[in-house]
Amino acid sequence: DGGITQSPKYLFRKEGQNVTLSCEQNLNHDAMYWYRQDPGQGLRLIYYSQIVNDFQKGDIAEGYSVSREKKESFPLTVTSAQKNPTAFYLCASSIGGPGQGLNIQYFGAGTRLSVL
Amino acid sequence: GIQVEQSPPDLILQEGANSTLRCNFSDSVNNLQWFHQNPWGQLINLFYIPSGTKQNGRLSATTVATERYSLLYISSSQTTDSGVYFCAGRAGGTSYGKLTFGQGTILTVHP
Repeated sequence: DGGITQSPKYLFRKEGQNVTLSCEQNLNHDAMYWYRQDPGQGLRLIYYSQIVNDFQKGDIAEGYSVSREKKESFPLTVTSAQKNPTAFYLCASSIGGPGQGLNIQYFGAGTRLSVL
Repeated sequence: GIQVEQSPPDLILQEGANSTLRCNFSDSVNNLQWFHQNPWGQLINLFYIPSGTKQNGRLSATTVATERYSLLYISSSQTTDSGVYFCAGRAGGTSYGKLTFGQGTILTVHP
C-alpha cells in the first residue's frame, strides 16, 4: 500500500536524551514535512524539505534536527535542548517539488512523545 | 505570517443535521486545504480548494479568495464525521511548502 509510515506510535524520552522519530513514504513525493500538535491546538511546522539533501526551518525548529539523505525518508530528532517535547508529531508529504504550486499534503498516523 | 481563524471552535450536532464551518485568513492565501482529524489523530485531506466550489459526497467546500475565507459544509451528519476539522493555507510569496493551520473546529455528532 502507498502511504506514509511513522514509527514508533508511542515514544518516551528521558531527561537529557535525544530521540529520533521515523517517517518513511513510498508515494514518490519530493516534499516532506514535520509538524507538532499540542492538545487542543492546530499544527505547527517544525521543518520541511522540498528535495533530497535540502531542508528548511519551520516556525518552531529550536530543539529539533532533521536529515534528508533519501527521498523516502525524513527522520526527526528531538534533542535534549527541546525542553517541552511532549506532543503529537505528524509527518506529511506532498508531490510538489521546488517551483510547483500544487501542495496537497498527506499525513502519517503520528507519533505521541512523552517525557518520563 | 498569516493568521488563520476558524469558527466555531466547537460544534455539537444530532445525527442528520447540517453544519457550516468557516475559515478566515488575515491575508491572501493559496493552496487552501481542509483536513479532518479523527479521534485517533489521523489527518485526512478533504479538499484542495484555492478558489471556487467542490463537492465530495455529503461534504462540499467553497473558497472566496478575494474575500479571504473558505467554508466547509457537512450535510446529513453522521457519528463518523466527529473529530477536528482544520483549514490551512500558504501565504502568497512564501515558500511553497509552508502551510499555516487554523486552530480547528471540534465537531461532535451524537446518534
